[in-house]
Amino acid sequence: DTAVSQTPKYLVTQMGNDKSIKCEQNLGHDTMYWYKQDSKKFLKIMFSYNNKELIINETVPNRFSPKSPDKAHLNLHINSLELGDSAVYFCASSPTGNEQFFGPGTRLTVL
Amino acid sequence: GQSLEQPSEVTAVEGAIVQINCTYQTSGFYGLSWYQQHDGGAPTFLSYNGLDGLEETGRFSSFLSRSDSYGYLLLQELQMKDSASYFCAVWNAGNMLTFGGGTRLMVKP
Repeated sequence: DTAVSQTPKYLVTQMGNDKSIKCEQNLGHDTMYWYKQDSKKFLKIMFSYNNKELIINETVPNRFSPKSPDKAHLNLHINSLELGDSAVYFCASSPTGNEQFFGPGTRLTVL
Repeated sequence: GQSLEQPSEVTAVEGAIVQINCTYQTSGFYGLSWYQQHDGGAPTFLSYNGLDGLEETGRFSSFLSRSDSYGYLLLQELQMKDSASYFCAVWNAGNMLTFGGGTRLMVKP
């Protein structure tokens, strides 16, 4: 019955590797998001998709590429991982925008 | 650009009332949302104010004054489980939420 799910929950990898995080929502929402939360808990939007179309791309390096195969899924692929990419990544979905439902987060550690 | 200011930390005792303030500067303002996040958990939605005034949901209330670019979250009858970080977030014409830095609330017995 999980509303917004993400896999994996933890990801530990070496600098330079490529990794993906998957997100799925079963709430029927049209809009999905990716956020990055750094070690100081600052939460910043990265991308937003509405019904599979990219609508927000917030000055994120092009090493980050979101993909939405359908409106229930929004995946995040990261190329050439850097130390500064270490953070918790949250996926979210929303029917309205101001009320967002967050997934459990993926803690990415780049060594 | 956009900016939101909220206190970094607040401490209160069980059963008390605490108010977490948020001031913002943004263009194309639609409203102010509040989210709660426990350590190791995900942010969860608490409330949204699109109009001036007070919105009440159980022990939690949220207030907005658009003319003052100011809002607050009021938590009553504090419980230990309310210890968490609380984020205000501006919803604006760019159709996105911009979050403040968060206020860490510690509730003591």
